[in-house]
Formats: sequence, structure tokens, C-alpha cells
Amino acid sequence: RKEVEQDPGPFNVPEGATVAFNCTYSNSASQSFFWYRQDCRKEPKLLMSVYSSGNEDGRFTAQLNRASQYISLLIRDSKLSDSATYLCVVIYGSASKIIFGSGTRLSIRP
Amino acid sequence: GAGVSQSPSNKVTEKGKDVELRCDPISGHTALYWYRQSLGQGLEFLIYFQGNSAPDKSGLPSDRFSAERTGGSVSTLTIQRTQQEDSAVYLCASSLEQGVRELFFGEGSRLTVL
Repeated sequence: RKEVEQDPGPFNVPEGATVAFNCTYSNSASQSFFWYRQDCRKEPKLLMSVYSSGNEDGRFTAQLNRASQYISLLIRDSKLSDSATYLCVVIYGSASKIIFGSGTRLSIRP
Repeated sequence: GAGVSQSPSNKVTEKGKDVELRCDPISGHTALYWYRQSLGQGLEFLIYFQGNSAPDKSGLPSDRFSAERTGGSVSTLTIQRTQQEDSAVYLCASSLEQGVRELFFGEGSRLTVL
């Protein structure tokens, strides 16, 4: 079983829709969680951290469920510019181990 | 620039040749990571440096792969006797400290082994 698993998608949704995707992790000792965004043929960039209490940044909401070992990302009122691959990131152990999921591809259509 | 710099941006080589990929992290960043990403795939962890030492080499796929970091700054990833399956984008990232929230990535070195 992979340490971090994501639905590869693609998710194809109309502009203005709400879309959500999850990421599951296998190591219960995992300490920190993040969502990164990667545009086509570009490097990944930090989108937001994920806290147990949940956190919101504009149209984006991230949540962590430690009991079920998953994190989620919700995007409201999606824009064409949200089209990208979203990578789930988990840090555990000595915190040198930063594991990326394989990403979920999101495509927003006009 | 102030970001992570990688070179070469593109490298085409013949099977069996050695290649060196270079990463210049953001000044002052003590942690440095190498990942590789094959087409349409996620990021595969290769190696992590804290300063000049590499406490975690677990991700290096074979003994043909090695990496070093000097002066707590520039890092070189070397692949000996390249194989076609080594073709990928090699991404370097740095962060201010080990495990700190944000990794800053370079634009990557795209390696093609013919």
C-alpha cells in the first residue's frame, strides 16, 4: 500500500462549481499535512497547510481527519485558473520524510 | 534570482553515459531535497540533506545514483551508467529548516536517456 494515496482524477467540473477531493495516508505517526499545487510542466508550489481544526483560505478549505487518516481539499466557486494537479503532502518520522501523493488532476471548463 | 536554481534545465544523453544535475538552493536554507517525477506521475523522494550531511538516502533507486552537498549550499545529483528508465524530471527543493512547512522547488532538470 502506498504511504499517501490520491484519486488521480481527472475531475472535470464547470466553472463556479464546488469540488472536493481526499487524500489518505497510511502512517498514523504522520505529523504535518499540506496541499501543493502543480501546473502543467511546472514545479509544485505550496497551496495551504492542513490543521486538525480545519483551515480556510478564500475559496479553499482544507481539513484533517486523524481518526480516519485522510485530508481533504474543498474548492468553492471554482475558476478556470484552478485547473491544475493538486498534491497531498505528508510529513512524518524525523520530519525529514516528506511524502507526496501522486496528485489529483482538476480541470475546470467554461 | 532568489529562488532555487537547477541546471541543466534539459539534458539528453545516451544510455550508459553519466550525468550530473546541479541544484542551487535559496541562500540560508539548510534543508535540501531531491525528488524525481516521471511523466504523469507523482514525486518520488530520492534524498534529503540537512547541511552537508544526508541522514536519509533511502530513496535512491540504485547504487548508480549518488548525491553530495558542499558548503551547505550547492548539491549535485550524479547518475552513473544511465538507463532509459532514469528519464524523468529531477526536482530539487529547499527549506529553511528540516520539516518546515514550505518547500521551495526549482523548475527541475528534464533528463531524457536515449
